[in-house]
Amino acid sequence: GAGVSQSPSNKVTEKGKDVELRCDPISGHTALYWYRQSLGQGLEFLIYFQGNSAPDKSGLPSDRFSAERTGGSVSTLTIQRTQQEDSAVYLCASSLKEGSRTSGILAKNIQYFGAGTRLSVL
Amino acid sequence: GQNIDQPTEMTATEGAIVQINCTYQTSGFNGLFWYQQHAGEAPTFLSYNVLDGLEEKGRFSSFLSRSKGYSYLLLKELQMKDSASYLCAVKAWVSGGYNKLIFGAGTRLAVHP
Repeated sequence: GAGVSQSPSNKVTEKGKDVELRCDPISGHTALYWYRQSLGQGLEFLIYFQGNSAPDKSGLPSDRFSAERTGGSVSTLTIQRTQQEDSAVYLCASSLKEGSRTSGILAKNIQYFGAGTRLSVL
Repeated sequence: GQNIDQPTEMTATEGAIVQINCTYQTSGFNGLFWYQQHAGEAPTFLSYNVLDGLEEKGRFSSFLSRSKGYSYLLLKELQMKDSASYLCAVKAWVSGGYNKLIFGAGTRLAVHP
């Protein structure tokens, strides 16, 4: 597709269940980011992928959170044993690799966002 | 540490001009982005400043002063559809060896007739 696609758009789950959130980045974007946005808060960085590797996992709140990316494209964020405080909008963004050029122009590394998955843990 | 401050809420009148300020204290500064986010939607890119000065793009302009750690987003000829949150984000080189975007909490702008 033309933009970043995330699914599901909404997810309601019971406390203690596991959930999987999916992100399909813009074709050709090798960098992928996950953020969390709680009501009235800014975007909280979770994890960054360059290709299939994750150089920065520093934002993952606990070991219940994990993410993977296969084939340099689709990424899944998994939350195990969900808690009520996990309720938030989970946003995915993708960008060209830092320092890459398109038609000779240095990429600004603009991150393009998906519409997010609204997770509600009851 | 990394810190970004912007006002929580602002209101303005249709047709007017509004300036949204952003101050930051970060290490490894490599540029500043402004994003617009309508309720329930994805943040969308508005502007990028890496050098001091004003960048103009239609009704929107963004200014940066690196020495003061200060930026503003200027919206002219406000329209009702400009009611949204405006996110200031600093691009900073971090120890992981890449540029990371650090977001402020956003400024919720309400435009009224």
